[in-house]
Amino acid sequence: DAKTTQPNSMESNEEEPVHLPCNHSTISGTDYIHWYRQLPSQGPEYVIHGLTSNVNNRMASLAIAEDRKSSTLILHRATLRDAAVYYCILRDYTGNQFYFGTGTSLTVIP
Amino acid sequence: DAGITQSPRHKVTETGTPVTLRCHQTENHRYMYWYRQDPGHGLRLIHYSYGVKDTDKGEVSDGYSVSRSKTEDFLLTLESATSSQTSVYFCAISEPGLAVHNEQFFGPGTRLTVL
Repeated sequence: DAKTTQPNSMESNEEEPVHLPCNHSTISGTDYIHWYRQLPSQGPEYVIHGLTSNVNNRMASLAIAEDRKSSTLILHRATLRDAAVYYCILRDYTGNQFYFGTGTSLTVIP
Repeated sequence: DAGITQSPRHKVTETGTPVTLRCHQTENHRYMYWYRQDPGHGLRLIHYSYGVKDTDKGEVSDGYSVSRSKTEDFLLTLESATSSQTSVYFCAISEPGLAVHNEQFFGPGTRLTVL
């Protein structure tokens, strides 16, 4: 499976938007882009996924570059509860394995 | 929340002893996974199962074995625990037919310390 590159850590002020970047230059045409997050002392949880088009759901938005070599997870108004490790993952649409990597640790400053 | 439990939640053991961790689900999902999480490495897949008695290796399977005799239970065994297996272990489940994104649902984790 193709791998992803994310910054180790980021900070954001509370109630401001957060843009979490992910590079995936070796992405293939059948790879979906997934984002999961892991709150402290919990297992990861699904946030959002996409293939080619930008996606929105109640938790976040996913912006995918036109060449699909990068994507950005957008939290529109960060809250203290959004402090977590965010993982960007590629998965072939036929595959059932996820490779999580080390993710981005987001700190939200009150 | 998905019905996934892990037992025990915490365990301290000594080097060389066998250890079995249990993952139990009430969702009837076909796929089950075992991950370990260590500082600096994120989550890494150990083994997974795609049905009763059907299992396969992940990226860090050495020193671990698994068994799945029932849909709801997936056991992870360390035959002879080593200090390098000190970690937090997460179980996950998924049902590929439910949605294209094949969401994985995670259990609460088991913290294992090998002295």
